[in-house]
Amino acid sequence: GENVEQHPSTLSVQEGDSAVIKCTYSDSASNYFPWYKQELGKRPQLIIDIRSNVGEKKDQRIAVTLNKTAKHFSLHITETQPEDSAVYFCAASLGGGADGLTFGKGTHLIIQP
Amino acid sequence: NAGVTQTPKFRVLKTGQSMTLLCAQDMNHEYMYWYRQDPGMGLRLIHYSVGEGTTAKGEVPDGYNVSRLKKQNFLLGLESAAPSQTSVYFCASKLAGGDEQFFGPGTRLTVL
Repeated sequence: GENVEQHPSTLSVQEGDSAVIKCTYSDSASNYFPWYKQELGKRPQLIIDIRSNVGEKKDQRIAVTLNKTAKHFSLHITETQPEDSAVYFCAASLGGGADGLTFGKGTHLIIQP
Repeated sequence: NAGVTQTPKFRVLKTGQSMTLLCAQDMNHEYMYWYRQDPGMGLRLIHYSVGEGTTAKGEVPDGYNVSRLKKQNFLLGLESAAPSQTSVYFCASKLAGGDEQFFGPGTRLTVL
């Protein structure tokens, strides 16, 4: 089955700096890669996703890049703000299919004022 | 439009007791999922369903049973709860052929 590795487990950055979280996946059949943000005690919230036919996607301060050959994808957050502090999860699946998501173990992002 | 809802929000059980968690969605989604979230482990898939009357095992199905008698509801049962099942349980749903899964608010279960 699919295996998703996520690094780092904790990331502390100064407010206004950029943050990068990286994930690798094992199953070359996976073609859908979402990123979720989870605040303490809340449900995961989708913040951005990408399909394997696209190399990069951007939404305001958030971007995701995908390298299918190397089987890795990354989340980039620019101009970080205090409200960006949360746990971020990457995931992979066969998009459009019935299979569930395989998640990474999460990155605790801390924005230092 | 409530989206995905879960009942109950919190529950404490003693070892050996049974209970059922209810997930309901009003988006007419075909696919529904149950995940558990443990500290440092991310979310892991327990069971899923592609439609009324169908269920399938996920990554960590042992100790759980599920049923999907109605399209809008997906039940997760623990027949004999164990401390290892202490976790936060999330339900999710999505359209057949779609990508995005929509998550419920979660149920925090403690087994003593």
